[in-house]
Amino acid sequence: NAGVTQTPKFQVLKTGQSMTLQCAQDMNHNSMYWYRQDPGMGLRLIYYSASEGTTDKGEVPNGYNVSRLNKREFSLRLESAAPSQTSVYFCASSEGGQTEAFFGQGTRLTVV
Amino acid sequence: DQQVKQNSPSLSVQEGRISILNCDYTNSMFDYFLWYKKYPAEGPTFLISISSIKDKNEDGRFTVFLNKSAKHLSLHIVPSQPGDSAVYFCAARPDYKLSFGAGTTVTVRA
Repeated sequence: NAGVTQTPKFQVLKTGQSMTLQCAQDMNHNSMYWYRQDPGMGLRLIYYSASEGTTDKGEVPNGYNVSRLNKREFSLRLESAAPSQTSVYFCASSEGGQTEAFFGQGTRLTVV
Repeated sequence: DQQVKQNSPSLSVQEGRISILNCDYTNSMFDYFLWYKKYPAEGPTFLISISSIKDKNEDGRFTVFLNKSAKHLSLHIVPSQPGDSAVYFCAARPDYKLSFGAGTTVTVRA
């Protein structure tokens, strides 16, 4: 039972490069999320998708784009990476409403 | 503006004793509250939750208390064990969006 799978686990980018973080869940959940974790800041919501075909901005969406490719997959794209985007990124999924979210293992991204 | 606040960055407790973690929130629309536990280099894992219609929820060694009038919740871990050493996040949601606190690092001493 894989749950939420994120790829890659580690990535180093140069300023200005682009990349896409991939996320897939096998729990048939409706809602998916992208968070970033920074020291002393907890987890901050970047974007979320309440259901297939919809996406909405979270607290810190600037510099990111997302695609809900199908019910299973939700990708996060950095078009032009900046050092301020150095962080650990977590993807999560949930049934929605009053249910818990399940998290992936995270992607540690460094932008130099 | 952080809507979920964990004002204690760290907590050290002796094995076998009670750990009490606190969390305050500002958004009165929050109606579902959760606690997550996180080990280094892993994703957060769900611990326990409580709906706003309740004031207490228990699951084994973990109990969450909710005081809606004070906009405050707490997590009690009794007894604390070495494997409980981790970062604990409080989270809350009004709908699909889950807002997290900054976390409290718990260290259980032998």
